[in-house]
Amino acid sequence: AQKITQTQPGMFVQEKEAVTLDCTYDTSDPSYGLFWYKQPSSGEMIFLIYQGSYDQQNATEGRYSLNFQKARKSANLVISASQLGDSAMYFCAMREEVSNTGNQFYFGTGTSLTVIP
Amino acid sequence: KAGVTQTPRYLIKTRGQQVTLSCSPISGHRSVSWYQQTPGQGLQFLFEYFSETQRNKGNFPGRFSGRQFSNSRSEMNVSTLELGDSALYLCASSLDRRSASQYFGPGTRLLVL
Repeated sequence: AQKITQTQPGMFVQEKEAVTLDCTYDTSDPSYGLFWYKQPSSGEMIFLIYQGSYDQQNATEGRYSLNFQKARKSANLVISASQLGDSAMYFCAMREEVSNTGNQFYFGTGTSLTVIP
Repeated sequence: KAGVTQTPRYLIKTRGQQVTLSCSPISGHRSVSWYQQTPGQGLQFLFEYFSETQRNKGNFPGRFSGRQFSNSRSEMNVSTLELGDSALYLCASSLDRRSASQYFGPGTRLLVL
């Protein structure tokens, strides 16, 4: 089974609208972290937001928020008030934190977001 | 604070050669992870280093190896290069192994001919 699943290969959103990028994960470890990254066409990976498995509140960072539904194993990224500069590839990732064997990292296949003026 | 730096940025090698890539983490960061990104396989975890020790390794052959120095700088080495090793190699650093953020370098784009 895929550890991280992003089911939307491509998404379009109108400038200034909000958009939700889906991410589901699969793990049996109680301790894990979920990350979202943005990768523009330049290739750099930009860290956006983090959610720990024990965090009670949904993470927020400026216009980014993470809708964490632990029972459903989903960690959707919400971008509010989309800007043209938000056009990029977005990756969801998970860090499984296993104390005796170390961390394992998994990335989804990404969602390409295009913001339309 | 300077970000994660990776050298070289671009590299062209031929099959059978070996290559060493370098990563300098953000000052004060002690955890370094390496990833391979290809169009076909996406982003795949290579290794994680912390305190000069490899803490875990992804599903890659033994041709892929790495190390971390006392100043947290890390190198990865690929021996006997194959065409399929052509990829963007990304390094990421974080304060420690449970950090709530992980910052990537610009990557080294390796082309194997």
